Amino acid sequence: AQSVTQLDSQVPVFEEAPVELRCNYSSSVSVYLFWYVQYPNQGLQLLLKYLSGSTLVESINGFEAEFNKSQTSFHLRKPSVHISDTAEYFCAVTYSGGYQKVTFGTGTKLQVIP
Amino acid sequence: DTGVSQNPRHKITKRGQNVTFRCDPISEHNRLYWYRQTLGQGPEFLTYFQNEAQLEKSRLLSDRFSAERPKGSFSTLEIQRTEQGDSAMYLCASSAPLVGAGSPLHFGNGTRLTVT
Repeated sequence: AQSVTQLDSQVPVFEEAPVELRCNYSSSVSVYLFWYVQYPNQGLQLLLKYLSGSTLVESINGFEAEFNKSQTSFHLRKPSVHISDTAEYFCAVTYSGGYQKVTFGTGTKLQVIP
Repeated sequence: DTGVSQNPRHKITKRGQNVTFRCDPISEHNRLYWYRQTLGQGPEFLTYFQNEAQLEKSRLLSDRFSAERPKGSFSTLEIQRTEQGDSAMYLCASSAPLVGAGSPLHFGNGTRLTVT
């Protein structure tokens, strides 16, 4: 069985400061990893994903995440946050060998302070 | 791409009543998922369809919950004899056909259920 741990339930950060949202996963098999974002009063949407290839993946709005197999981590980073990044971020994992359910973490609320 | 549509957006019901939610996935998506989300938690997997076949159902789901996807298009989730613990946001998601499991999920805005 797979699981996802997001240790930080809330992360306050000042505007234009860097941020890292931590995600660790547990799985005995090869995985795909995702970050989803939920802006206030909106549905969940995909931010970025790691399927294979380069371990560093980027989103169109400046976020990046690095797949670290040895540390079973997929931390999300942004060098300079904006007010508009205020949202809840969910890390998710699924087995890469065929269908299996997507398992989500408990989420991290990013609060950007002006 | 009109997105995943869920109805109703909100449902308030009394304990013991039955409720049914509907999800219309993105038209070309053959995979459909139901999740439940409570405050402070991430989405919790309930069940999954590939076309009309229900391929997996969470063991956490009691027999009061049932889902269907006739003809592989829209899906319904029914909860019988609702309990206060069923109060949550019920999320539907769909994904496109893709070899393996890498196709991302597209979520609807959810149906918020309140059981009084």
